[in-house]
Order: sequence, then C-alpha cells, then structure tokens
Amino acid sequence: GENVEQHPSTLSVQEGDSAVIKCTYSDSASNYFPWYKQELGKRPQLIIDIRSNVGEKKDQRIAVTLNKTAKHFSLHITETQPEDSAVYFCAAPHWAGGSYIPTFGRGTSLIVHP
Amino acid sequence: DAGVIQSPRHEVTEMGQEVTLRCKPISGHDYLFWYRQTMMRGLELLIYFNNNVPIDDSGMPEDRFSAKMPNASFSTLKIQPSEPRDSAVYFCASSLSQGGGYTFGSGTRLTVV
Repeated sequence: GENVEQHPSTLSVQEGDSAVIKCTYSDSASNYFPWYKQELGKRPQLIIDIRSNVGEKKDQRIAVTLNKTAKHFSLHITETQPEDSAVYFCAAPHWAGGSYIPTFGRGTSLIVHP
Repeated sequence: DAGVIQSPRHEVTEMGQEVTLRCKPISGHDYLFWYRQTMMRGLELLIYFNNNVPIDDSGMPEDRFSAKMPNASFSTLKIQPSEPRDSAVYFCASSLSQGGGYTFGSGTRLTVV
C-alpha cells in the first residue's frame, strides 16, 4: 500500500513568517494530493489540493507544490497568522479494493506565535 | 447541504457495552468512509463503501467492529463489546468520487471506561 511520510511533526513560527510542510509518497501512480487542516476539537477540512498534471497551485496565502519525479509535495503558508495554528494532514491515494483511497500522513502541528 | 452529519457527538460507555455510531453522508456522494483518530496512530481508515456496498474493510481492527450502509443516506459503525482501547474520535467522511477530496463529519468522541 501507499506509504506517506510527513515532516516535520511540529512546526513553531512567528506571526508573519512562512511555514513549509513536506510529504513524500511511494506509489508512483498516485495522482491526487489533498491537504487538510484540523483545528483543535474540530473536523479535518480540505484546504487545497493538486493533481499530478500541475506542478504548483496557489490560493491566497497557501500554495502546494508537487514533484512527481521525487515523489514529494509540500504545503506553503506565507504571512502566517495565529488562526493558522492547527494540525495539517497531507494525503496520497493508494489502491484499495478497486478504488484509489487516500492514505494520510501523521500530521504536522503548526503553532503560530503572535 | 448540511454536510456530513454524525451522531452522537460524544459517547461515554462502560466496557462490554455495545456502541453504535451513525453517519449521514452528503446527498449524491457515492463514497462513504469511517476513520478512527488517535494520538498514537493518527487517522486510520476502518472501512469504506461505494454505492452502499462495503469495498474494503481491511482496516477494521477485529470482529468486534462492524459497519453497515443500508441505504445511500445512512451508515452505522458498531462496536460490540466495547473495550477501553476503542476510545478515540471516529470520523465519517463522504466523497463524490474516488479521486476527490473528502468532507468529514464532526466526529464522535468515544470514551470507554
């Protein structure tokens, strides 16, 4: 099955700094890479995703980059704000029972200090 | 749409009791997933359904766990008998297609004492 590794497990930054979270995956057939944000006590929510035919995607202060050759993708948050503090999960699909189903990374706890 | 609806939000039960968690997916979503989240193991896929049919239950920990989806708008996850190590947050999620993003429910925080 798919092996998804996410780093770092914890990231502490000052407000206004940038934050980068990286994930690697093993299945070269993977073609869809979402990122989820989970605030304390709440549900994971999709914040951005990228498909394998695109190298980069941006949405205001967040962006995702994909390197299919190296099998890694990264989440970039610029001008971080305290409300960005949360756990972020990456995911990459693996083949399970006839469908591509995401395998989640272990999560990165981002702390933005005001 | 109200999103994915789970109930109850919190459940505290005694070891040995039966626990039933419920989920209503987003209308029109063909895929439904049950996940368990713990600090130790992160987000684990327990089982998923496609068009109400269970497809992959290899993540179900043991025979004490069972899941059903009798129709397109309702699914249950049952634990019988429950054990303290089952304590976790259980999320239901639905998706329009296999290659798309998920919408998660609010989760059920289960505590087995």
